[in-house]
Amino acid sequence: GAGVSQSPSNKVTEKGKDVELRCDPISGHTALYWYRQSLGQGLEFLIYFQGNSAPDKSGLPSDRFSAERTGGSVSTLTIQRTQQEDSAVYLCASSSGLAGNYEQYFGPGTRLTVT
Amino acid sequence: KQEVTQIPAALSVPEGENLVLNCSFTDSAIYNLQWFRQDPGKGLTSLLLIQSSQREQTSGRLNASLDKSSGRSTLYIAASQPGDSATYLCAVITSGSARQLTFGSGTQLTVLP
Repeated sequence: GAGVSQSPSNKVTEKGKDVELRCDPISGHTALYWYRQSLGQGLEFLIYFQGNSAPDKSGLPSDRFSAERTGGSVSTLTIQRTQQEDSAVYLCASSSGLAGNYEQYFGPGTRLTVT
Repeated sequence: KQEVTQIPAALSVPEGENLVLNCSFTDSAIYNLQWFRQDPGKGLTSLLLIQSSQREQTSGRLNASLDKSSGRSTLYIAASQPGDSATYLCAVITSGSARQLTFGSGTQLTVLP
């Protein structure tokens, strides 16, 4: 079946602009995660959605970052007033969340470059 | 706060060798441990998942072990091939967390033909 997909694959934006990154999880997966991978910081957790529960936003680095998940499926990560330090690869993952199965499957990522 | 360490940071071996990648974590109260492979410019591919109650998992030439009490995991790759060249990442879900993965910094493996 189809894996996790993300769009766009690459995004170049000017400092101060807003960007939206999209994630389509594996069909039927109730858990969805956003991570960020940057040269200096490695892979960092950003936000976690589980079903209809309130998301865990504990990893978001600032209030310029927000995410939503509509209809329990597609998710959008929004970065407002982008800064150069936001340049990174943003990875989305999903897991079934059923019977304690939290094996995470990752999408190809969106490479964000802020100029 | 959970911290995951991977040693070595880089490894270069000739084709055909067996090799071991190491991962350690500071909080032994984990839910599971997952090994990933990442090719340059690509996303992460899940290789093996070990639940906290398990000691090892095998998939083809790969074998991952888990010693939760000592906070260690190893990934054993048998008969390495040039196609195994990639960065290998170890990650854990800590019990009581939001089920997010905490990652090590990875081991960059090069298998020379």
